[in-house]
Amino acid sequence: AQKITQTQPGMFVQEKEAVTLDCTYDTSDQSYGLFWYKQPSSGEMIFLIYQGSYDEQNATEGRYSLNFQKARKSANLVISASQLGDSAMYFCAMREGHQAGTALIFGKGTTLSVSS
Amino acid sequence: GAVVSQHPSRVICKSGTSVKIECRSLDFQATTMFWYRQFPKQSLMLMATSNEGSKATYEQGVEKDKFLINHASLTLSTLTVTSAHPEDSSFYICSASGLAGGTNEQFFGPGTRLTVL
Repeated sequence: AQKITQTQPGMFVQEKEAVTLDCTYDTSDQSYGLFWYKQPSSGEMIFLIYQGSYDEQNATEGRYSLNFQKARKSANLVISASQLGDSAMYFCAMREGHQAGTALIFGKGTTLSVSS
Repeated sequence: GAVVSQHPSRVICKSGTSVKIECRSLDFQATTMFWYRQFPKQSLMLMATSNEGSKATYEQGVEKDKFLINHASLTLSTLTVTSAHPEDSSFYICSASGLAGGTNEQFFGPGTRLTVL
């Protein structure tokens, strides 16, 4: 079974609108971390936001927020006020345990296209 | 955040040759480094995990004799693709974890695009 599922291969949004990118995960660990990364066409992985499994508040970083619903095992990324520069591939990832020495497991990604 | 570099950023080689890719943590000591492979429009797939001074742990299906990983120091890991073939053409990304700026996080390199002719 897939550990990270991103069901939206592509999403389209207009500038200044908000968009939600879906992510569900599967783990039997109680301790885990959830990440979102942005990958533009250059290929670099840009860290956006992190949510720990024990964090009670949803994580926010500027225009990015993570809608964490633990019981449903979902960790959707919300981008508010989309900008043209937000067009990129977005990956949800999970690390089981809280040790940085554990590899991330990535979803298949969602390509976001922002139009003017 | 901490900086991880990769060299080269892009390489084109002939089939049958070997290619070495370097991954360096520039401002922190990386106790663990990870190597990922990414085909166009696809996800990052973990190839192997390496800890400084010990042998790398390879994921199932990754040939350790073909993808040689060396993590000889706390700031450098290398991936050597031996006897490269066109199907090895891919984007290779490393990430490094260690104590950087007070957080024990993972930081990604910019990636290396390998094309085998």
